[in-house]
Order: sequence, then C-alpha cells, then structure tokens
Amino acid sequence: GQSLEQPSEVTAVEGAIVQINCTYQTSGFYGLSWYQQHDGGAPTFLSYNALDGLEETGRFSSFLSRSDSYGYLLLQELQMKDSASYFCAVRDNGQAGTALIFGKGTTLSVSS
Amino acid sequence: DTGVSQDPRHKITKRGQNVTFRCDPISEHNRLYWYRQTLGQGPEFLTYFQNEAQLEKSRLLSDRFSAERPKGSFSTLEIQRTEQGDSAMYLCASSTTGRSYEQYFGPGTRLTVT
Repeated sequence: GQSLEQPSEVTAVEGAIVQINCTYQTSGFYGLSWYQQHDGGAPTFLSYNALDGLEETGRFSSFLSRSDSYGYLLLQELQMKDSASYFCAVRDNGQAGTALIFGKGTTLSVSS
Repeated sequence: DTGVSQDPRHKITKRGQNVTFRCDPISEHNRLYWYRQTLGQGPEFLTYFQNEAQLEKSRLLSDRFSAERPKGSFSTLEIQRTEQGDSAMYLCASSTTGRSYEQYFGPGTRLTVT
C-alpha cells in the first residue's frame, strides 16, 4: 500500500519562506503532486514532480528525491492568502496508476 | 469552461435513507474521480471513470456505494442505507488522460446523516 507523512501544522510570518516536507512509501511510484485547499474550498493543483529535482512555479517550488522517497513544497514571500492546508499526493499503483492518494495535510498559518 | 460542478452542495438525510449526488466534470476531461474528505484529513479515493468505464474502486468502498457515468459526461454517486459514518464532504474531480496527476476538483457535496 501507500502512505504519506507530512507535518500537521506550520506557522510563519508574511514575507518569510516555509518548507513543507513529505515522505512517502509506495509499492510503485508515478510522481508526487501538491495541492492547496483553503477552508471551505476545493483542493487546487499546485505542482507535480515525476523526476528528481526542483520545479519552480512563481513563488512556489517543489522538490523530489526518489531515492529518499522524499519531497517538499517551498513557499516564498509568504502572503496572508497562503494560509491554507497543503497536501502531498502520490498516484495509486492500481490498474492505471491514476487515483491520487493524499497525505493528511499540513495546515499553514501565515501571520502579519 | 466553467470548471467542475457538483449538486447538491449540501444534503442532510436521516440514517437509512438513500442519497444521490451529481458531478459535471470539465467537458474535455475524460477521467472523473470521486473522493471523500472528513475534517482534518486529505481526500480519500473512492472510484474513478475513464469515459463511461469505471476502472477502479477503492477496496475500502462499501457495497452501499455505487457510481455511474452513463454517457461519459456527468457522473452520479449513490449511497444506499446511509449511516452516520457516511457524513463527509464528497468531492468530484476530473482530468485528462495524460495529466491525471493534475486533477480539478469541484466544490463538493457536504453530506450530514442524522
């Protein structure tokens, strides 16, 4: 089966940089995705890593090390609107490796 | 495109009743997924469709749950004989075949079983 571990909570101040780590255990690996979810909202896709290295998308970057079964989401120049839950997810190794298996999420609180 | 829509947004039902939810995916997406989310947890996979074919169901999914996507467009999720433990947010998502890691979620249907 699959399991993902990420910290339950992270706090930071506006303008700071925060890193949210994710370690995973899978019997097959198809890539690591990150999603953001504001209170009462739907999860929205942030980034995806299939290969080792860093992917940058504006203020957000995501990193993957397949040998360490580890990834992180890096948020720079934090803004109050970044306060949300962040989920890492791996694709299930079912018939088509399609369904996403999510971690329990990290609640990020940004203060002024 | 208007994104993924779900109906109803909220449903309160009594234990033992049947409920049905609808999801309309993004029109050009041929993959459709159902997830369930409870407070403080990530979305939990229930089932997914490639066009009208249901290709995968979670092993944890009770036989009381059934889903259809008859014409490869909208989908319905039915829960029979609801139980209080079924209370959760039911999320629908869609994606293209080649980018299943990038799923677009609807606003969800919040089910409360009393």
